[in-house]
Order: sequence, then C-alpha cells, then structure tokens
Amino acid sequence: EDKVVQSPLSLVVHEGDTVTLNCSYEVTNFRSLLWYKQEKKAPTFLFMLTSSGIEKKSGRLSSILDKKELFSILNITATQTGDSAIYLCAGPQGGGSEKLVFGKGTKLTVNP
Amino acid sequence: DGGITQSPKYLFRKEGQNVTLSCEQNLNHDAMYWYRQDPGQGLRLIYYSQIVNDFQKGDIAEGYSVSREKKESFPLTVTSAQKNPTAFYLCASLRSSGNTIYFGEGSWLTVV
Repeated sequence: EDKVVQSPLSLVVHEGDTVTLNCSYEVTNFRSLLWYKQEKKAPTFLFMLTSSGIEKKSGRLSSILDKKELFSILNITATQTGDSAIYLCAGPQGGGSEKLVFGKGTKLTVNP
Repeated sequence: DGGITQSPKYLFRKEGQNVTLSCEQNLNHDAMYWYRQDPGQGLRLIYYSQIVNDFQKGDIAEGYSVSREKKESFPLTVTSAQKNPTAFYLCASLRSSGNTIYFGEGSWLTVV
C-alpha cells in the first residue's frame, strides 16, 4: 500500500530558529515528490523533487530528495511567524494510476 | 484564467441531509480528486477519477459518492451515512503525465 509519512506531526519553535521537516515515502512507480504549504485554505505549491541529491531553494526554504532512502526533507531557516502553517508532502503515483498520496502533514507554529 | 472552482465555500446542513459539493475545472485535466481535511490534519483521499465515467475509492470513501459525467466536473455528495461530515473539503486536478497538483479553494461543510 502506498504511503507517505511525515514527521514530526507538530512542531513549535521561536522566530529565528531553523527547522527540518521530514517525509518518507513508499509510492508505486515513484515519479516525483511534492511539498506544499497550507495556511488557511488551499495548499500552495513549494517544491517538486524528481532527482536525488539536487537541492531546491526558494528564499529561506530548501528541500532535497534521497531516492535511495525514499526520503525528503524541507528546511526552513530563520523562521518567521508567517511560516506558521501545515506543510504537506505528497507522492503522485505514476504508471497509469494517478492516485495522489499525501502525508498527514507537519503543523509548524512559529512564536514571536 | 484556468483553474478549479469549488462551490459553495461555506455550507451548513442539518444532520441526516445529503449535500453536494461542486468542483469544476477548465484546465483540461484528466484526473480529479476529492480530499477531506480535519482541523490541523493532512489530506485524506475520498475519491478520485482518472477519466470520464470512471472513478475509484480513496482511503475514506464510506458515506460519500461521486460522478464524472464530464471531464470538467467532479461533484461530491456527502450522504447521511457519513458519520462525521463536518470538515474542509478540497478538490484537486492533475494533468495526465503531469506532476503538479492544482487545488480549488476548498469548501467548509458544517453539519449541525
């Protein structure tokens, strides 16, 4: 059974801290791994990772994929209160089935 | 502009009533999805459809029904058999052979 497991499920930090969010996956016909940030409504796209070992960066956020270990991390440096959100990891299943498998998410709270 | 439109955004219903949530996309995407999200939690797959007139159960399909009579439309009915229907419902779509998920703005359903 395909699954995406995120950890921790909840994290509380102070502004300025650096955090690492984890995502492990077992997805049939793996094609890519996606990271999303969700604040109030619909999730917003952060990163799509397809190649192992290549870091993707966007400002204070970065992410990397390890296809051998079936693992990805999302790093946020110098956190701000605006980073408070649920961070979701997803693995679209390829090979004819388009089932999208999401993790339960990590709820990040950044306190001033 | 292309996108996914969900309606209504907010819906209140009495216990025991069926309700239907609308999801329309003009992105010409083949695959469409319905997810349920409870407060502070990740996304759980209810149903998904890869082509017109075909759909598959997700992880929590009990108490829900869908149809896919047109490529653009994938309505979700929350039936009275669903024990805890109060939640945030997200519709999404994916282009065939694509990697990026597009989300609607979501529908908040409250059953009183």
